[in-house]
This record gives sequence, C-alpha cells and structure tokens, in this order.
Amino acid sequence: QTVVTQEPSFSVSPGGTVTLTCGLTSGSVSSNHYPSWYQQTPGQAPRTLIYRTNTRSSGVPDRFSGSILGNKAALTITGAQADDESNYYCVLHMGSGIYWVFGGGTKLTVL
Amino acid sequence: QVQLQESGPGLVKPSETLSLTCTVSGYSISGDYYWAWIRQPPGKGLEWIGSIYHSGSTYYSPSLESRVTISVDTSKNQFSLKLNSVTAADTAIYYCARNPSSSGNYVWGQGTLVTVSP
Repeated sequence: QTVVTQEPSFSVSPGGTVTLTCGLTSGSVSSNHYPSWYQQTPGQAPRTLIYRTNTRSSGVPDRFSGSILGNKAALTITGAQADDESNYYCVLHMGSGIYWVFGGGTKLTVL
Repeated sequence: QVQLQESGPGLVKPSETLSLTCTVSGYSISGDYYWAWIRQPPGKGLEWIGSIYHSGSTYYSPSLESRVTISVDTSKNQFSLKLNSVTAADTAIYYCARNPSSSGNYVWGQGTLVTVSP
C-alpha cells in the first residue's frame, strides 16, 4: 500500500523561507496526482491553500506557493510569519476514479 | 457562498452505526462538484473517507469501503455518511467538504466530533 509522506516537523525563522514536501513511499509525485495543501491550526477546520500543484485558493497570500520538486510535491512559504505556525497537510489523488490520500502532516514552528 | 454544516449524534456505542448528515447552503448539491467526508482522530492527521456525486455515484477509501455508505438527498440539499460496526478507532472529528473533479480545492465544513464509547 502506497503511503503519502511528509516531514513530521519543521522550523523556520520569522521572515525566512521554508519548503515542505509531499512524497510517496513508492514512485514519484507528479501533477497527475493533483497535489493540494491545507493549513490547520488547533481546533479549526483545515483551510485550503494550494490545489492542482500550484493554484492558490481564494484569499491565500502569494507568499504561499506550490510546485513539483524532483519526485515530490512542495509547499514553499516565503517570508514566514508568526501566524504561519500551523499543521500543514498534503493530499494526492491516487489512481483512477476518485480516491484521495492525505499525508501525515507537518507541524511548522516559526521561531 | 457555499457553506456546509455537519450534524448528528456526538456519541455512538461500539458495534453500532455512526450516522452524520451534511447540510449544504448557498449552492445546489446537484451542481458539478463532488461531496466528501473526511475525518481526523484527536491529535492525528486527516483521512479521506469517500465522496459522492449528485447522480449517486460513490467512491470510498479501500480501508473503509466495507463499512461505509455515503448517500445524497438532492431534495433536501444534503448528503449523509453511515459507518457501521464502529470501534474506538472511529472516534474523530468528521468533516464534510465540497471539491471539484480532479481537484483538492475543498471547501470545508466546521467539523463535528463523534466519540465511540460505551
């Protein structure tokens, strides 16, 4: 069974740049997986940041960007702010039909 | 602007059936979107449960397929989740959401906590 992988945790300094990744235990991530990214703070529903690899959802600032880096999907935060401290989840569309698999999430600390 | 609201019992006994409803407002459930259920055990990550199209076509996670039924009621602009034979491992916040085909651009409900306990 293929698992979607994310870094469990990451830290970034205020104003810095950080890239979180989303991979597969078997194979490479491509745009055909329609990678998407979500931000979630404790007690809140997730918020969609990026979908279809690199399209920002409505209202998302342009310091959040998505891409494919090597064999993984990537979320880059440029100019990190204190309120970016959250959990970030990716999801991939797998195979034919409708089937989505979430990664385990990355806890981002801004300090 | 579309809004989604989950409703249903917050406590379910082991071996019984978990039943939740998502009421959609601000958009017709018969539009060209998929309607999904996603859950999150306390302190853990997100898990896609399944999706339905207004035509009634359903798609389920292989790990839950044997226990899950998602249905749609276009007359009430609602869709529902049933998960049978629940155990403590099914304790989670359950979210309903809307997304376009081949896109993870989910619009999320606020979520509802369901606890499985005697």
